[in-house]
Amino acid sequence: GAGVSQSPSNKVTEKGKDVELRCDPISGHTALYWYRQSLGQGLEFLIYFQGNSAPDKSGLPSDRFSAERTGGSVSTLTIQRTQQEDSAVYLCASSLGAGGPHEQFFGPGTRLTVL
Amino acid sequence: AQSVTQLDSQVPVFEEAPVELRCNYSSSVSVYLFWYVQYPNQGLQLLLKYLSGSTLVKGINGFEAEFNKSQTSFHLRKPSVHISDTAEYFCAVTPRGGGADGLTFGKGTHLIIQP
Repeated sequence: GAGVSQSPSNKVTEKGKDVELRCDPISGHTALYWYRQSLGQGLEFLIYFQGNSAPDKSGLPSDRFSAERTGGSVSTLTIQRTQQEDSAVYLCASSLGAGGPHEQFFGPGTRLTVL
Repeated sequence: AQSVTQLDSQVPVFEEAPVELRCNYSSSVSVYLFWYVQYPNQGLQLLLKYLSGSTLVKGINGFEAEFNKSQTSFHLRKPSVHISDTAEYFCAVTPRGGGADGLTFGKGTHLIIQP
């Protein structure tokens, strides 16, 4: 079956512009996660959605970052007024259920470059 | 909060030799433990996980890991490596309580297989 898909695969933007990154989880997976992978910081957890519940936003690096999940499926991560330090690979993952024991399946990522 | 330490950023090893990739963690609560692999230009893939029971867990591609609670370690081993094992390996933990916590990853270990 289809895995987690993310779009675009690559995004180059100018400093100060807004960007939207999209994630399509595996069908039937209720939990969805966003991570950021950068050279300096490694893999960082950003935000988590369980079904239609309001997410815990405490992991987002600044208030320029926001995320939503429509209809308990597709999710969009939005970065406003991008900065050069936002350059990274943004990974999305989904799992059958909430919490630890459930395997998270990762998408291929969106590589964001802020010039 | 949790933290994961992978002491070796790079491990070179000859083909068909054994390898051990080290992982230590710190947490105030009980955790589940994972090893993920990232092949060049690919997404993250689960190698194995420890949830409960036997402390020796076997994963895909001939890898295994042993959970040592007293040493808070979860080292990854393979008795004989192949060129195709060249990849980045990430150790990760998440609290047993689950819910809004994503995975906390180590910085990764780059396994380099030399012919």
